[in-house]
Amino acid sequence: DQQVKQNSPSLSVQEGRISILNCDYTNSMFDYFLWYKKYPAEGPTFLISISSIKDKNEDGRFTVFLNKSAKHLSLHIVPSQPGDSAVYFCAANYGGSQGNLIFGKGTKLSVKP
Amino acid sequence: DAGVTQSPTHLIKTRGQQVTLRCSPKSGHDTVSWYQQALGQGPQFIFQYYEEEERQRGNFPDRFSGHQFPNYSSELNVNALLLGDSALYLCASSKRLAGDSTDTQYFGPGTRLTVL
Repeated sequence: DQQVKQNSPSLSVQEGRISILNCDYTNSMFDYFLWYKKYPAEGPTFLISISSIKDKNEDGRFTVFLNKSAKHLSLHIVPSQPGDSAVYFCAANYGGSQGNLIFGKGTKLSVKP
Repeated sequence: DAGVTQSPTHLIKTRGQQVTLRCSPKSGHDTVSWYQQALGQGPQFIFQYYEEEERQRGNFPDRFSGHQFPNYSSELNVNALLLGDSALYLCASSKRLAGDSTDTQYFGPGTRLTVL
């Protein structure tokens, strides 16, 4: 049973527009959420995280929104750039899990010039 | 500042063989986690090492074992390789925080294992 779901395998966006990547989770014990970006032949790169006590966290062009009641989070990239083209993974864990990250399957973002 | 490094980059083995993968954590990190990423899937947690002990384990058989050395580097060993063990093996390092939680995990580039 997948505890973290990314239901869109791919997303295509025009350069300069907003990219919205979505993630749903089922385990209500999760209290920390992260987004990683992965280029081919590289390991995942940490992008941004959010604690369950917040509903929004911003870092430059990246903003993560958390809706605990809906068990849903999203990553907004504004403006999107061609260099953002990569696979984006949503991950979650909970206090006491000692860093056992549960990942979704990823969404491949393509930003077209 | 060197990030997480892994060796080798690629590895080809045959069924039944044994393999050892290596990881050096990011400077200042003391905790190492290993993940397996099959094609088209997200990374799946194998286990985590801290203070040279396995602290937590995911749903992987005993064929998967590990070790952490005093300098915090780590090895992942897989015995009796199966075709299904073909995957990208990722190492992630982090800093242990108070209360047994860990800080953000930073990943290495991975080792691509192919089992024939």
